[in-house]
Amino acid sequence: GAVVSQHPSRVICKSGTSVKIECRSLDFQATTMFWYRQFPKQSLMLMATSNEGSKATYEQGVEKDKFLINHASLTLSTLTVTSAHPEDSSFYICSADRLAGIKETQYFGPGTRLLVL
Amino acid sequence: QKEVEQNSGPLSVPEGAIASLNCTYSDRGSQSFFWYRQYSGKSPELIMSIYSNGDKEDGRFTAQLNKASQYVSLLIRDSQPSDSATYLCAVKRGDTGFQKLVFGTGTRLLVSP
Repeated sequence: GAVVSQHPSRVICKSGTSVKIECRSLDFQATTMFWYRQFPKQSLMLMATSNEGSKATYEQGVEKDKFLINHASLTLSTLTVTSAHPEDSSFYICSADRLAGIKETQYFGPGTRLLVL
Repeated sequence: QKEVEQNSGPLSVPEGAIASLNCTYSDRGSQSFFWYRQYSGKSPELIMSIYSNGDKEDGRFTAQLNKASQYVSLLIRDSQPSDSATYLCAVKRGDTGFQKLVFGTGTRLLVSP
């Protein structure tokens, strides 16, 4: 399968600081990447769709000014959690669409666990 | 009605048995169907994709799709304790065009030794 990496895998920060999470497709180019959040024992929740070279599309209820997404290249998307608060503590997972023939398949990164103190 | 529905489980099967995981979806325009496996504390891992009615086999896994009934399933033969995880069904309306996946809430599978 395709390889998607995330960095960092784990981060602890103080309330009020900003945290940047990187998502990279290592062996393919991804025009579209996705950012999800998952709280313990809950389902994946799509936060936003990131398209290379254009603005991200946010899901309803997700604050675009708080969760800044930049998809600057075909292999890199970043999510910045601005002014993080304890309620932002969660498991953040990115995924990337890989095109094979005419089919697109979404591959997930390993996730970033964020703890805001 | 949820767009993608799965029984949350847990589904308990003994080692060596066949585990059958089911999923229904509401959007008749759906064309792409995926099964992901998620271990506790880890991110989802793709197991199977299926696009046409019928069965698709890959090793111990078989995906089954019935678009008329809006039903997709995953069979795991010779279940192993290492198969214990949450299995997520995901559906996409098209097969291209940067479309988002719609996930079910997942079925937790427990395979006992």
